[in-house]
Amino acid sequence: DIQMTQSPSSLSASVGDRVTITCRASQSISTYLNWYQQKPGRSPNLLIYATANLQSGVPSRFSGSGSGTDFTLTISSLQPEDFATYYCQQSSSTPYTFGQGTKLEVK
Amino acid sequence: EVQLVQSGAEVKKPGESLKISCKGSGFDFTKYWIGWVRQMPGKGLEWMGIIYPGDSDTRYSPSFQGHVTISADSSNTTAYLQWSSLKASDSGLYYCARQTFGESDFWGRGTLVTVSS
Repeated sequence: DIQMTQSPSSLSASVGDRVTITCRASQSISTYLNWYQQKPGRSPNLLIYATANLQSGVPSRFSGSGSGTDFTLTISSLQPEDFATYYCQQSSSTPYTFGQGTKLEVK
Repeated sequence: EVQLVQSGAEVKKPGESLKISCKGSGFDFTKYWIGWVRQMPGKGLEWMGIIYPGDSDTRYSPSFQGHVTISADSSNTTAYLQWSSLKASDSGLYYCARQTFGESDFWGRGTLVTVSS
């Protein structure tokens, strides 16, 4: 299985901050990397697919980059509704493993 | 409108069997993979497996292979996740999700499974 490692596991930030979350794959996954946001008591929500493609309806302050084994999710200016847990997921080969999650909290 | 409607919460005893469902609507059910994801209380997302209802091609995570069965009824646009003998460690929230090219773009609300003696 391909292992996905996110860092940090938790992050405190303020509204308006620029935030970056990283995700590393245990082997090359090309650009088969997706990002999800999950709020408490809610289902996960797809933010970005194939590394850098914004899902319909997702604000443009979210962006993704990377290739091979190293990827980033950037939120350019944090909004109050962005405090949540974020997961990366590789879809290069099954099982389509998730990272352990990054909890973004209010500073 | 794409929807995935999951069956309701279940409370079972260890050793019992269970089948939960995920009914799709608003899209061609036979042309998308449907996946299952587990989330244990306070924990992260675990990919369990996927099925292509068009031909019933199924892929499992090694972590779940042999312990669960994923199936689908395309005529009823419903996917299923079943256990033949539940364990307490199967307790958790189970999501189904539609998969496009590997990403899960629509999710059900989840089915909570509680296994306790």
